[in-house]
Amino acid sequence: KQEVTQIPAALSVPEGENLVLNCSFTDSAIYNLQWFRQDPGKGLTSLLLIQSSQREQTSGRLNASLDKSSGRSTLYIAASQPGDSATYLCAVSPGGGGATNKLIFGTGTLLAVQP
Amino acid sequence: KAGVTQTPRYLIKTRGQQVTLSCSPISGHRSVSWYQQTPGQGLQFLFEYFSETQRNKGNFPGRFSGRQFSNSRSEMNVSTLELGDSALYLCASSLDSVDTQYFGPGTRLTVL
Repeated sequence: KQEVTQIPAALSVPEGENLVLNCSFTDSAIYNLQWFRQDPGKGLTSLLLIQSSQREQTSGRLNASLDKSSGRSTLYIAASQPGDSATYLCAVSPGGGGATNKLIFGTGTLLAVQP
Repeated sequence: KAGVTQTPRYLIKTRGQQVTLSCSPISGHRSVSWYQQTPGQGLQFLFEYFSETQRNKGNFPGRFSGRQFSNSRSEMNVSTLELGDSALYLCASSLDSVDTQYFGPGTRLTVL
């Protein structure tokens, strides 16, 4: 059974700092891994999607890496800003069987960037 | 292009009642997935519909059901509500299989 874990559960950093969020999953049979952010009381915003054949994806100040064999992904945020404060969630699309859009989510990392 | 919309945004029901939530995907998207989010269990997959067919189902009791219409709009229904059904219900749409998913703002259901 696929399980997704995120460490740390919460993180507080001063503005301008670079930071790394971690995600691990137990079964390497995945189609892709996605990173989302969620602002309080709101839906999820997709940040990056990494296909299982890819090693990393970049968007602006965000860089996500994927090491499928070790079951790990990291989200790197450069030069953090107060507007980055949110809960960050990683999710895997489990492989095996037919391709679907089912996602298994991690527990999230609550990020606070202090001005 | 308009995003994913969900109605209603907030609902208050009592135990034993039933409820229907609606989701309109991004135009052209054929897949709609539903998730339940609670503080204790986090985000859990309910089911996915693709071109009007249920393609995948999570581990929820039969009280949770859904459907998708020919215009890709989807509804989910929860019958015989329990206190534990109080949650944020999110729907997501995507263009095709194993694709980026775009989430709606959610429906906050409170069961009293």
